[in-house]
Amino acid sequence: NAGVTQTPKFQVLKTGQSMTLQCAQDMNHNSMYWYRQDPGMGLRLIYYSASEGTTDKGEVPNGYNVSRLNKREFSLRLESAAPSQTSVYFCASGQGSRTEAFFGQGTRLTVV
Amino acid sequence: GQQVMQIPQYQHVQEGEDFTTYCNSSTTLSNIQWYKQRPGGHPVFLIQLVKSGEVKKQKRLTFQFGEAKKNSSLHITATQTTDVGTYFCSPLSMYSGGGADGLTFGKGTHLIIQP
Repeated sequence: NAGVTQTPKFQVLKTGQSMTLQCAQDMNHNSMYWYRQDPGMGLRLIYYSASEGTTDKGEVPNGYNVSRLNKREFSLRLESAAPSQTSVYFCASGQGSRTEAFFGQGTRLTVV
Repeated sequence: GQQVMQIPQYQHVQEGEDFTTYCNSSTTLSNIQWYKQRPGGHPVFLIQLVKSGEVKKQKRLTFQFGEAKKNSSLHITATQTTDVGTYFCSPLSMYSGGGADGLTFGKGTHLIIQP
């Protein structure tokens, strides 16, 4: 099994550009999550989807949008990238907050 | 999200020394999970603690959940270079609803091992 797959692995954007980070899981999990990781800040939850058809804001949702396309896929969109969004982004999936989460390999995004 | 304090932020140890990281919450928790992230890698689940006073062991790693379910610790005995990384706790409040919440994390403890 591939587990959780994120694309792309690396991306450089110019300020104001838009892009979508893709995430897919093949474990039939109900819940999916997007995090950003910055030095000294740990993992901060951006958005999550507890089940297909639902999405909720996390700790740092401003500047992002998400789409739970189906049970497998959960995408994160930056409509107008800013340098403050330079970070490593992780997608994760699980069967809910009372079970373990499985993480993707991460996307390293730089906004210049 | 659930507010927790994870300490210390950084810990330097000599190889062979013990290491402990703590996760402290101001509110009672339903459960707590621990994850490890190697440098350049992604977080990997280690364990989940659910019961008050629970102690679980994985080889040289010992995990504890406090009696009041407000704090937890991860202790590594005789550290090895393979233990290098960042250790995160992920607490779930007992007031959360049905497990359909976002998983939040402490800021992590960076373990640096000097050979």
